[in-house]
Amino acid sequence: EVRLLESGGGLVQPGGSLRLSCAASGFTFSTYAMTWVRQAPGKGLEWVSVINDSGSHTDSADSVKGRFTVSRDNSKSTLYLQMNSLRADDTAMYYCARIRVVGAEPFDFWGQGTLVTVSS
Amino acid sequence: SYVLTQPPSVSVAPGKTARITCEENNIGSKSVHWYQQKPGQAPVLVMYYDSDRPSGIPDRFSGSKSGNTAALTITRVDAGDEADYYCQVWDRTSDYVFGAGTKVIVL
Repeated sequence: EVRLLESGGGLVQPGGSLRLSCAASGFTFSTYAMTWVRQAPGKGLEWVSVINDSGSHTDSADSVKGRFTVSRDNSKSTLYLQMNSLRADDTAMYYCARIRVVGAEPFDFWGQGTLVTVSS
Repeated sequence: SYVLTQPPSVSVAPGKTARITCEENNIGSKSVHWYQQKPGQAPVLVMYYDSDRPSGIPDRFSGSKSGNTAALTITRVDAGDEADYYCQVWDRTSDYVFGAGTKVIVL
Protein backbone atom coordinates (compact mmCIF):
# COMPACT_ATOMS: atom_id res chain seq x y z
CA GLU A 1 0.00 0.00 0.00
CA VAL A 2 1.35 3.41 -0.99
CA ARG A 3 1.82 5.69 2.00
CA LEU A 4 3.06 9.26 2.22
CA LEU A 5 3.49 10.78 5.67
CA GLU A 6 4.32 14.47 6.00
CA SER A 7 5.86 15.99 9.11
CA GLY A 8 7.67 19.12 10.24
CA GLY A 9 4.87 21.64 10.13
CA GLY A 10 4.16 24.07 12.93
CA LEU A 11 4.03 27.70 13.99
CA VAL A 12 6.88 29.91 12.80
CA GLN A 13 7.45 33.66 12.85
CA PRO A 14 7.61 35.70 9.66
CA GLY A 15 11.10 35.52 8.22
CA GLY A 16 11.73 32.16 9.85
CA SER A 17 12.54 28.76 8.38
CA LEU A 18 11.04 25.31 8.48
CA ARG A 19 11.87 21.97 6.89
CA LEU A 20 9.08 19.63 5.92
CA SER A 21 9.58 15.91 5.39
CA CYS A 22 7.53 13.33 3.53
CA ALA A 23 8.29 9.70 4.34
CA ALA A 24 7.25 7.32 1.57
CA SER A 25 6.53 3.60 1.71
CA GLY A 26 4.79 0.92 -0.30
CA PHE A 27 6.50 1.71 -3.61
CA THR A 28 9.97 2.11 -5.09
CA PHE A 29 10.54 5.73 -4.12
CA SER A 30 13.64 6.19 -6.28
CA THR A 31 11.68 5.53 -9.50
CA TYR A 32 9.08 8.28 -9.00
CA ALA A 33 9.13 12.04 -9.18
CA MET A 34 7.56 13.81 -6.22
CA THR A 35 5.84 17.11 -5.68
CA TRP A 36 4.60 19.49 -2.99
CA VAL A 37 1.18 21.13 -3.17
CA ARG A 38 -0.23 23.56 -0.61
CA GLN A 39 -3.66 24.78 0.37
CA ALA A 40 -4.22 27.98 2.32
CA PRO A 41 -7.12 27.87 4.79
CA GLY A 42 -10.40 27.89 2.89
CA LYS A 43 -8.63 28.20 -0.47
CA GLY A 44 -7.83 25.98 -3.42
CA LEU A 45 -4.82 23.87 -4.30
CA GLU A 46 -1.55 25.52 -5.32
CA TRP A 47 1.40 23.65 -6.74
CA VAL A 48 4.68 24.46 -4.94
CA SER A 49 7.62 22.35 -6.17
CA VAL A 50 8.54 19.21 -8.10
CA ILE A 51 11.64 17.02 -8.16
CA ASN A 52 12.49 14.20 -10.53
CA ASP A 53 13.31 10.64 -9.48
CA SER A 54 17.05 11.14 -9.13
CA GLY A 55 16.87 14.61 -7.65
CA SER A 56 18.82 16.10 -10.54
CA HIS A 57 15.95 18.32 -11.72
CA THR A 58 13.74 20.57 -9.64
CA ASP A 59 11.24 23.32 -10.36
CA SER A 60 9.16 25.62 -8.19
CA ALA A 61 6.29 28.05 -8.46
CA ASP A 62 7.24 31.70 -8.84
CA SER A 63 5.61 32.44 -5.47
CA VAL A 64 8.27 30.39 -3.64
CA LYS A 65 11.22 30.50 -6.02
CA GLY A 66 14.39 31.58 -4.23
CA ARG A 67 12.87 30.86 -0.81
CA PHE A 68 11.86 27.17 -0.92
CA THR A 69 14.09 24.25 -1.93
CA VAL A 70 12.85 20.75 -2.68
CA SER A 71 15.21 17.80 -2.23
CA ARG A 72 15.09 14.07 -1.63
CA ASP A 73 17.07 11.23 -0.06
CA ASN A 74 16.32 8.07 -1.99
CA SER A 75 18.24 5.95 0.53
CA LYS A 76 15.70 7.05 3.15
CA SER A 77 12.66 7.22 0.83
CA THR A 78 12.09 10.75 2.03
CA LEU A 79 11.19 13.99 0.32
CA TYR A 80 11.99 17.38 1.84
CA LEU A 81 10.92 20.99 1.47
CA GLN A 82 13.23 23.58 3.00
CA MET A 83 11.26 26.79 3.49
CA ASN A 84 13.13 30.02 4.23
CA SER A 85 12.05 33.65 4.57
CA LEU A 86 8.55 32.54 5.42
CA ARG A 87 5.68 34.99 5.01
CA ALA A 88 2.14 35.09 6.32
CA ASP A 89 0.81 34.07 2.92
CA ASP A 90 2.80 30.81 3.13
CA THR A 91 0.37 29.68 5.83
CA ALA A 92 -1.20 26.52 4.46
CA MET A 93 -1.57 22.79 4.64
CA TYR A 94 1.34 21.28 2.72
CA TYR A 95 0.81 18.00 0.91
CA CYS A 96 3.37 15.78 -0.74
CA ALA A 97 2.19 13.77 -3.72
CA ARG A 98 3.61 11.17 -6.03
CA ILE A 99 3.95 11.71 -9.77
CA ARG A 100 5.30 9.15 -12.20
CA VAL A 101 7.59 11.58 -14.05
CA VAL A 102 7.90 15.35 -14.21
CA GLY A 103 5.46 16.61 -16.82
CA ALA A 104 1.85 15.91 -17.71
CA GLU A 105 1.41 12.95 -15.36
CA PRO A 106 -1.22 13.03 -12.59
CA PHE A 107 -0.52 13.26 -8.87
CA ASP A 108 -1.70 9.74 -8.14
CA PHE A 109 -1.20 9.48 -4.37
CA TRP A 110 -1.22 12.20 -1.72
CA GLY A 111 -0.20 12.37 1.90
CA GLN A 112 -2.50 13.70 4.62
CA GLY A 113 -0.61 16.98 4.88
CA THR A 114 1.22 19.00 7.50
CA LEU A 115 0.07 22.44 8.60
CA VAL A 116 2.39 25.43 8.45
CA THR A 117 1.33 28.61 10.21
CA VAL A 118 3.39 31.77 9.77
CA SER A 119 2.48 34.31 12.40
CA SER A 120 4.04 36.54 15.02
CA SER B 1 -0.26 32.49 -17.15
CA TYR B 2 -2.51 29.51 -17.62
CA VAL B 3 -5.91 29.82 -15.91
CA LEU B 4 -8.45 27.02 -15.62
CA THR B 5 -12.00 28.24 -15.03
CA GLN B 6 -14.39 26.16 -12.94
CA PRO B 7 -17.84 27.08 -11.60
CA PRO B 8 -17.73 27.75 -7.84
CA SER B 9 -20.49 25.28 -7.11
CA VAL B 10 -22.81 22.73 -8.65
CA SER B 11 -25.98 21.62 -6.88
CA VAL B 12 -27.56 18.27 -7.65
CA ALA B 13 -30.33 16.15 -6.20
CA PRO B 14 -29.54 12.63 -5.03
CA GLY B 15 -29.72 10.13 -7.85
CA LYS B 16 -29.22 12.79 -10.51
CA THR B 17 -26.18 13.69 -12.60
CA ALA B 18 -23.57 16.35 -11.76
CA ARG B 19 -21.37 17.83 -14.48
CA ILE B 20 -18.33 19.87 -13.45
CA THR B 21 -16.62 21.89 -16.15
CA CYS B 22 -13.08 23.19 -16.57
CA GLU B 23 -12.47 25.75 -19.31
CA GLU B 24 -9.39 27.17 -20.99
CA ASN B 25 -8.74 28.18 -24.58
CA ASN B 26 -5.96 25.65 -25.16
CA ILE B 27 -7.23 22.83 -22.97
CA GLY B 28 -7.69 20.63 -26.03
CA SER B 29 -3.92 20.20 -26.25
CA LYS B 30 -3.51 19.35 -22.55
CA SER B 31 -4.05 16.25 -20.45
CA VAL B 32 -6.61 17.04 -17.75
CA HIS B 33 -6.66 15.38 -14.34
CA TRP B 34 -9.38 15.65 -11.69
CA TYR B 35 -9.14 15.45 -7.90
CA GLN B 36 -11.82 15.04 -5.27
CA GLN B 37 -11.30 16.59 -1.85
CA LYS B 38 -13.70 15.94 1.00
CA PRO B 39 -13.69 18.24 4.05
CA GLY B 40 -10.64 17.72 6.23
CA GLN B 41 -9.12 15.17 3.86
CA ALA B 42 -6.35 15.09 1.30
CA PRO B 43 -7.19 15.23 -2.40
CA VAL B 44 -7.79 11.97 -4.24
CA LEU B 45 -7.23 11.42 -7.96
CA VAL B 46 -10.56 10.49 -9.57
CA MET B 47 -9.81 10.94 -13.27
CA TYR B 48 -6.62 11.25 -15.30
CA TYR B 49 -5.68 11.87 -18.91
CA ASP B 50 -9.11 13.38 -19.51
CA SER B 51 -11.14 10.19 -19.17
CA ASP B 52 -9.15 7.40 -17.47
CA ARG B 53 -10.44 6.24 -14.12
CA PRO B 54 -8.02 5.04 -11.40
CA SER B 55 -8.69 1.69 -9.83
CA GLY B 56 -11.16 1.97 -6.97
CA ILE B 57 -13.05 4.92 -8.44
CA PRO B 58 -16.67 3.99 -9.23
CA ASP B 59 -17.73 3.92 -12.86
CA ARG B 60 -20.31 6.58 -11.97
CA PHE B 61 -17.40 8.97 -12.52
CA SER B 62 -16.46 9.77 -16.11
CA GLY B 63 -14.38 12.38 -17.87
CA SER B 64 -14.61 14.07 -21.25
CA LYS B 65 -13.18 16.94 -23.23
CA SER B 66 -14.50 18.90 -26.18
CA GLY B 67 -13.34 22.20 -27.60
CA ASN B 68 -12.29 24.52 -24.79
CA THR B 69 -13.99 22.51 -22.06
CA ALA B 70 -13.11 19.45 -20.02
CA ALA B 71 -15.79 17.92 -17.82
CA LEU B 72 -16.12 15.49 -14.94
CA THR B 73 -19.52 13.83 -14.79
CA ILE B 74 -20.91 12.00 -11.79
CA THR B 75 -24.03 9.93 -12.36
CA ARG B 76 -26.40 8.64 -9.65
CA VAL B 77 -25.00 11.18 -7.20
CA ASP B 78 -25.19 10.35 -3.51
CA ALA B 79 -24.28 12.22 -0.33
CA GLY B 80 -20.83 10.67 -0.33
CA ASP B 81 -19.96 12.57 -3.52
CA GLU B 82 -20.29 15.93 -1.79
CA ALA B 83 -16.80 17.42 -2.04
CA ASP B 84 -14.61 19.95 -3.80
CA TYR B 85 -13.41 18.91 -7.24
CA TYR B 86 -10.31 20.37 -8.90
CA CYS B 87 -9.14 20.07 -12.48
CA GLN B 88 -5.41 20.23 -13.17
CA VAL B 89 -3.10 20.38 -16.17
CA TRP B 90 0.60 20.69 -16.83
CA ASP B 91 1.77 23.50 -19.06
CA ARG B 92 5.35 23.83 -20.24
CA THR B 93 5.53 27.49 -19.23
CA SER B 94 3.15 27.58 -16.25
CA ASP B 95 4.04 24.16 -14.81
CA TYR B 96 1.26 22.56 -12.75
CA VAL B 97 -1.98 24.51 -12.75
CA PHE B 98 -5.13 23.82 -10.74
CA GLY B 99 -8.57 25.20 -11.30
CA ALA B 100 -10.09 27.12 -8.39
CA GLY B 101 -12.30 24.16 -7.53
CA THR B 102 -16.00 23.35 -7.70
CA LYS B 103 -18.03 22.48 -4.64
CA VAL B 104 -20.57 19.77 -5.39
CA ILE B 105 -23.60 20.20 -3.15
CA VAL B 106 -26.00 17.30 -2.83
CA LEU B 107 -29.45 18.69 -2.10
